[in-house]
Amino acid sequence: KQEVTQIPAALSVPEGENLVLNCSFTDSAIYNLQWFRQDPGKGLTSLLLIQSSQREQTSGRLNASLDKSSGRSTLYIAASQPGDSATYLCAVPEYGNKLVFGAGTILRVKS
Amino acid sequence: ETGVTQTPRHLVMGMTNKKSLKCEQHLGHNAMYWYKQSAKKPLELMFVYNFKEQTENNSVPSRFSPECPNSSHLFLHLHTLQPEDSALYLCASSTQPRGSPLHFGNGTRLTVT
Repeated sequence: KQEVTQIPAALSVPEGENLVLNCSFTDSAIYNLQWFRQDPGKGLTSLLLIQSSQREQTSGRLNASLDKSSGRSTLYIAASQPGDSATYLCAVPEYGNKLVFGAGTILRVKS
Repeated sequence: ETGVTQTPRHLVMGMTNKKSLKCEQHLGHNAMYWYKQSAKKPLELMFVYNFKEQTENNSVPSRFSPECPNSSHLFLHLHTLQPEDSALYLCASSTQPRGSPLHFGNGTRLTVT
């Protein structure tokens, strides 16, 4: 059974700092990994999807890496801004259509 | 605007009520999903529909009944719920079941009294 763990559970940083969010999964036989952002009381917004054949994906100040063999992914946020404050979730497929989510990292960027 | 619209945004219902949640996607996707997000727990998949056919029921109690009349609309019918069913119910869609990103609606915040 696939399990996803995200560390840290919460993170508070000053504006401008570079930061790394971690995601680990127990079954490395995945075909992709997805990072989402969730603002309070809202749904999830897809940030990046990395296929199993890729090592990383970049979108603006966000860079996600994937190491299947070690069962890890990181989300790197450069030059953080207060607008980046949200909960960040990673998810991997377990079988068929089922995505297994981590519990998320709550990020607060202080101005 | 996410392309996936859920109504209502908030719902309060008693344990004997019957209500329905609605989801509509304007993205031309073929797969639609219901997820449940409870406080301090990871998102849990409830149901999956591919081309209007249910392909996944993740051991969800029968008091939750999904309906997918076409590939753009998805409903979740609720009856005789329990207080522990209070949660954020999220609808999502994707172009195909595997390998494509999910697009989520903003959810319905359900409170069962």
